[in-house]
Amino acid sequence: DIQMTQTPSSMPASLGERVTISCRASQGISNYLNWYQQKPDGTIKPLIYYTSNLQSGVPSRFSGSGSGTDYSLTISSLEPEDFAMYYCQQYDSSPWTFGGGTKLELK
Amino acid sequence: QVQLKESGPGLVQPSETLSLTCTVSGFSLTSYSVSWVRQPSGKGPEWMGRMWYDGDTAYNSALKSRLSISRDTSKNQVFLKMNSLQTDDTGTYYCTRAGSPGYFDYWGQGVMVTVSS
Repeated sequence: DIQMTQTPSSMPASLGERVTISCRASQGISNYLNWYQQKPDGTIKPLIYYTSNLQSGVPSRFSGSGSGTDYSLTISSLEPEDFAMYYCQQYDSSPWTFGGGTKLELK
Repeated sequence: QVQLKESGPGLVQPSETLSLTCTVSGFSLTSYSVSWVRQPSGKGPEWMGRMWYDGDTAYNSALKSRLSISRDTSKNQVFLKMNSLQTDDTGTYYCTRAGSPGYFDYWGQGVMVTVSS
């Protein structure tokens, strides 16, 4: 199985700050990488698919990039509603696997 | 609009079988695949398996011996059955729609399952 490692596991940040979350795959995944946001009530929302494509309705302050084994999610200017958990997920090969998550916290 | 909703028992005895139902609306099960994803408390999600739009299934090899996914297209429902439950099967179980292979574009609210005697 492909292992997905996210760093950091938690990140204190301030409103308006630019933040980047990293995700590393245990082998190359050919850009088959998605990002999701999870709120404290458990609601999961898709953000980005195939490395850099924004899901409809997701604000443009979110962006994704990467290639090979290394990928990242960037939020250009944090809004109050962005403080949540973030997960990456690969779908290059089955079983599709998720990272352990990054908790974005208010500093 | 697209909606998925999980239902099932919140408490299951160890060694027993978990049965969950995902009821969907706003799309057809013959056009989109539906997956089950679970999440232990404080951990990342785990993809369990999927029901393809054509009725075929695929499972996570780690769970394959215990897991079965089926559907009733007339009722817009997808079912999960997993046997021999243990305490580490405790967590929140989600059903999700795949807008394209491997990309979960809609999620249910999740159902919390506790395995305990």
